[in-house]
Amino acid sequence: DTGVSQDPRHKITKRGQNVTFRCDPISEHNRLYWYRQTLGQGPEFLTYFQNEAQLEKSRLLSDRFSAERPKGSFSTLEIQRTEQGDSAMYLCASSLRAGGRDTEAFFGQGTRLTVV
Amino acid sequence: AQTVTQSQPEMSVQEAETVTLSCTYDTSENNYYLFWYKQPPSRQMILVIRQEAYKQQNATENRFSVNFQKAAKSFSLKISDSQLGDTAMYFCACVGGATNKLIFGTGTLLAVQP
Repeated sequence: DTGVSQDPRHKITKRGQNVTFRCDPISEHNRLYWYRQTLGQGPEFLTYFQNEAQLEKSRLLSDRFSAERPKGSFSTLEIQRTEQGDSAMYLCASSLRAGGRDTEAFFGQGTRLTVV
Repeated sequence: AQTVTQSQPEMSVQEAETVTLSCTYDTSENNYYLFWYKQPPSRQMILVIRQEAYKQQNATENRFSVNFQKAAKSFSLKISDSQLGDTAMYFCACVGGATNKLIFGTGTLLAVQP
């Protein structure tokens, strides 16, 4: 296993277009997280899944954002009608929860979105 | 709710010297964890060190150690014998509760000078 992978690494899109990002977590990890990181800031939590269930969504996740993890493996994050304010690095992380405890979260390299 | 504050936007240290990065936090959780993550330029975030709040002993990982002051809600990172490869953004983070979601500070950009 090569760790958490994200695709694409970079995406430039025109305002108003839809974009979709993919995250492949470490294979045995049952928890998957999405974060957004803007320049000069720390990552901010967007949403997380345990297996295929989306258990929490941040208020940062507007109606234009949707995330799925259909089979409890990879996840997609879609942004509809992109706005310039959506420009950011989107980070995915995964961890294993077992026995009431979590392993550390492992991060992917992120997808850098630029909305022009 | 949890908050994490890093008051040093940038730090610089000479190679082989020691540097300390500061972090304060606030949480209503009784059981929580604190982390320092390193994010090198254009590379993924990696865990540097982890501290469980119920453990009084400060965590150490080779050249990295923490000073965990629970009553003061302070969690600083000490890097000894700094190396050029330590140049990165360092984030302090806290997690507590069932979700395991990380709450990050704004980061400290550390530059190790040759």
